[in-house]
Amino acid sequence: AQSVTQPDIHITVSEGASLELRCNYSYGATPYLFWYVQSPGQGLQLLLKYFSGDTLVQGIKGFEAEFKRSQSSFNLRKPSVHWSDAAEYFCAVVAYSSASKIIFGSGTRLSIRP
Amino acid sequence: DAGITQSPRHKVTETGTPVTLRCHQTENHRYMYWYRQDPGHGLRLIHYSYGVKDTDKGEVSDGYSVSRSKTEDFLLTLESATSSQTSVYFCAISPDQQETQYFGPGTRLLVL
Repeated sequence: AQSVTQPDIHITVSEGASLELRCNYSYGATPYLFWYVQSPGQGLQLLLKYFSGDTLVQGIKGFEAEFKRSQSSFNLRKPSVHWSDAAEYFCAVVAYSSASKIIFGSGTRLSIRP
Repeated sequence: DAGITQSPRHKVTETGTPVTLRCHQTENHRYMYWYRQDPGHGLRLIHYSYGVKDTDKGEVSDGYSVSRSKTEDFLLTLESATSSQTSVYFCAISPDQQETQYFGPGTRLLVL
């Protein structure tokens, strides 16, 4: 069965520092991959997605993610975080099959140190 | 933002009472989903719909039922609410099941 693992429950970084949030998936074929962000009290907003092609994808708010098939990973990165980036981040996968549904990781909460 | 609304946004109810949450979209998307979000679990799919009157179960469907009589509306019903159903419920829509899902603002449900 497909699954998504976000190994870091909570990460704190200093404002202006770089960020990398980890995501690993388990699936036999190439899945569709997503990163969503959720600010407190809000719904989820799509940051970026990977379907095929270039393995480095750019998203909104200066985020990017790299799909690495050999490591079954889709890590999210940002070169310099801002206080407004404090939120919870969810990685998600959709398997390419007629009975598939999106599976979310358990999330990583990002705190920003002033 | 995708046109998705959820109602009510907040609800407090008592154990054993029926509760219906509504999701309304103006995007004419084929797929609609109901999730619950609980600390440490991320989002878990309750039910989804792939068309009018076409629905299927997700991973946590016990105690929940859904209906979709119109493209724009997807209802989630808790037939007899329990305290374990206290959660934040999100509706999502997408044009296709492999496409991006767009989320509503959520409904906070407290079952006492």
